[in-house]
Amino acid sequence: KNQVEQSPQSLIILEGKNCTLQCNYTVSPFSNLRWYKQDTGRGPVSLTIMTFSENTKSNGRYTATLDADTKQSSLHITASQLSDSASYICVVIGNTGGFKTIFGAGTRLFVKA
Amino acid sequence: EAGVAQSPRYKIIEKRQSVAFWCNPISGHATLYWYQQILGQGPKLLIQFQNNGVVDDSQLPKDRFSAERLKGVDSTLKIQPAKLEDSAVYLCASSLDRAGASYEQYFGPGTRLTVT
Repeated sequence: KNQVEQSPQSLIILEGKNCTLQCNYTVSPFSNLRWYKQDTGRGPVSLTIMTFSENTKSNGRYTATLDADTKQSSLHITASQLSDSASYICVVIGNTGGFKTIFGAGTRLFVKA
Repeated sequence: EAGVAQSPRYKIIEKRQSVAFWCNPISGHATLYWYQQILGQGPKLLIQFQNNGVVDDSQLPKDRFSAERLKGVDSTLKIQPAKLEDSAVYLCASSLDRAGASYEQYFGPGTRLTVT
């Protein structure tokens, strides 16, 4: 069964600290993996898109890594800010006779002053 | 560039009533998606259109949900009759082409539906 599992479910950190969010998936064949940020009451906004040949991709203070062999991805946030408080959703696009979009449940990040 | 527009933003109805949501995608985007996001969960794809044709509606509860994109631009999603478990945020997204081609999906703000 194609699944995307994220951990932790929620996380509280102090402003200025770094954190890493995890994503494990069983989707196969794999087309690409995306990380989205979803602020409360808003739609998700794309942070990164990676194909299987890409190991890392950065977007400002956000750095995503991908290990297609172990089917794991991580999102690292550097020098967190209060505005980073949001849900971070890992999304995997599978290619199983048609492209399928599979969302993880998200990690809820709280950044405290 | 204007984003994906959705209306209404909020809707409260009683169970067994009907409701409709509207989405206007980004101009020129061929692919349109409707998602259901229950509180605390990731979005679940309900239906995907490529222009005005349905690409994937495998998770759409067809006994009560329907969607159309008649002219390949705007789309409406309808629920009739609504159940308590339909309470969720309904997100519309669009992309230049299909998701597997690595095109980004742009999401609207969503419609929060509460069924009482």
